[in-house]
Amino acid sequence: QITLKESGPTLVKPTQTLTLTCTFSGFSLSTSGVGVGWIRQPPGKALEWLALIYWDDDKRYSPSLKSRLTITKDTSKNQVVLTMTNMDPVDTATYYCAHGVWGSYRFDYWGQGTLVTVSS
Amino acid sequence: DIQMTQSPSSLSASVGDRVTITCQASQDISNYLNWYQQKPGKAPKLLIYDASNLETGVPSRFSGSGSGTDFTFTISSLQPEDIATYYCQQYDNLLDMYTFGQGTKLEIK
Repeated sequence: QITLKESGPTLVKPTQTLTLTCTFSGFSLSTSGVGVGWIRQPPGKALEWLALIYWDDDKRYSPSLKSRLTITKDTSKNQVVLTMTNMDPVDTATYYCAHGVWGSYRFDYWGQGTLVTVSS
Repeated sequence: DIQMTQSPSSLSASVGDRVTITCQASQDISNYLNWYQQKPGKAPKLLIYDASNLETGVPSRFSGSGSGTDFTFTISSLQPEDIATYYCQQYDNLLDMYTFGQGTKLEIK
């Protein structure tokens, strides 16, 4: 059974750096074809893909946010970490991590999401 | 970037109706198109992958079709539990990035 869960601060101040952790179980990020992605959703708005890391440590980022994002993995801990610098109120959103499938490029298991509010 | 146009943005239908949602890509994306259902306060759920494959455990009233630039998602007979927002998601294999559509909010008439 695959599960994912996001953790991190619920409130960050403008200009601060956000660090979110995705802790997962039921799969290994060292298995060929596996990836973990991050997707966010501002309140009442659509989903937006942010980043994804593959089993081979290859990384992909949304071009519009690439300069602010870093994604890393700790295979031994079954964790993926996303950092986003220079947070702004427009970054207020629910942040999801999800299990990705290379080759099909789908997200088939999702965490419950964590709401991050950016406010002074 | 490949642009995705999902329509309609909202839809009202009656129980038992056939419901259709479309996604159009600005460039050929082969069959790299997936469909998700999101209920309020919940994470999205994958329904259809690779344009037309039904995810395990998803009722057969859900289906998808299309390839290239034009894709369709269909609910053959709307049920009350299908009330949700539906998103398409594409993969751009040139830029190696993912894009979601703007969503279709489905309501019961």
